[in-house]
Amino acid sequence: EADIYQTPRYLVIGTGKKITLECSQTMGHDKMYWYQQDPGMELHLIHYSYGVNSTEKGDLSSESTVSRIRTEHFPLTLESARPSHTSQYLCASSDPRGGGSTGELFFGEGSRLTVL
Amino acid sequence: AQSVTQLGSHVSVSEGALVLLRCNYSSSVPPYLFWYVQYPNQGLQLLLKYTSAATLVKGINGFEAEFKKSETSFHLTKPSAHMSDAAEYFCAVTLGSSGSARQLTFGSGTQLTVLP
Repeated sequence: EADIYQTPRYLVIGTGKKITLECSQTMGHDKMYWYQQDPGMELHLIHYSYGVNSTEKGDLSSESTVSRIRTEHFPLTLESARPSHTSQYLCASSDPRGGGSTGELFFGEGSRLTVL
Repeated sequence: AQSVTQLGSHVSVSEGALVLLRCNYSSSVPPYLFWYVQYPNQGLQLLLKYTSAATLVKGINGFEAEFKKSETSFHLTKPSAHMSDAAEYFCAVTLGSSGSARQLTFGSGTQLTVLP
C-alpha cells in the first residue's frame, strides 16, 4: 500500500503570500513528482526529482520551486502566490524496481490551492 | 512522442449496466498503457496496466482493458457498474520499456456517473 502524504489538503490565501506545499513518502522511492491538475484537464508534470539534490522542471512551466534534501520529502514553494496559481497540486512517487512498471505512480491526496 | 485521447469527458450509466470508457493513444514506439482512477477529493490510484504481456489486462474492482494495436486503443470496461465506481478515470501512456514515469502522458479524464 502506498504511503504518500500531502499537507495542507486545502489552502485559501491572499495574493502575494508565500506558500509551501508539503509532500512526504515512507516507501523509500527515489523518484518524486509534482503535477498540476485543473478541472477537466489532463495532469501536467511541473517538477521532477531523481533523488536527493536532483530536481528538474517538468513539461508545464511553473513559477513554483522545489527542493529535495531528504529522500522522503519533496516540498513545493510559491514565493508570491497569484490567482493564476489556483489549482490542485498532486505529489507522486515511483519505484523503478517495481517489475518494469515504468509508469506506475503512487499519488498523494492532493493539495487544493485557492489564491484570492 | 506520445499522446492520449479520451473520448467523452462525461459518461453516465445505470447501476448494473456495462461501463465502457474509451482511450486511444499515439506512440512512436510500443507503449505501456495505464488506467488510473480518482475518487472525489483523493489522489489518483492505479487501476490496471499494460506492459506488453497479455493484451487483456485485469485490474482492481472488476475492471479490465484490452490493448488493440490495430486500433491504437486501450478501452476500459466493467460488466456491471456499481455506485462506488463513480469517479474520474484517466488513461495514460509512456514509451514502453524505453520510457519512464517521468515521460507519462495523461488524458484529460472521463467522469463516470452511476445512476441508481
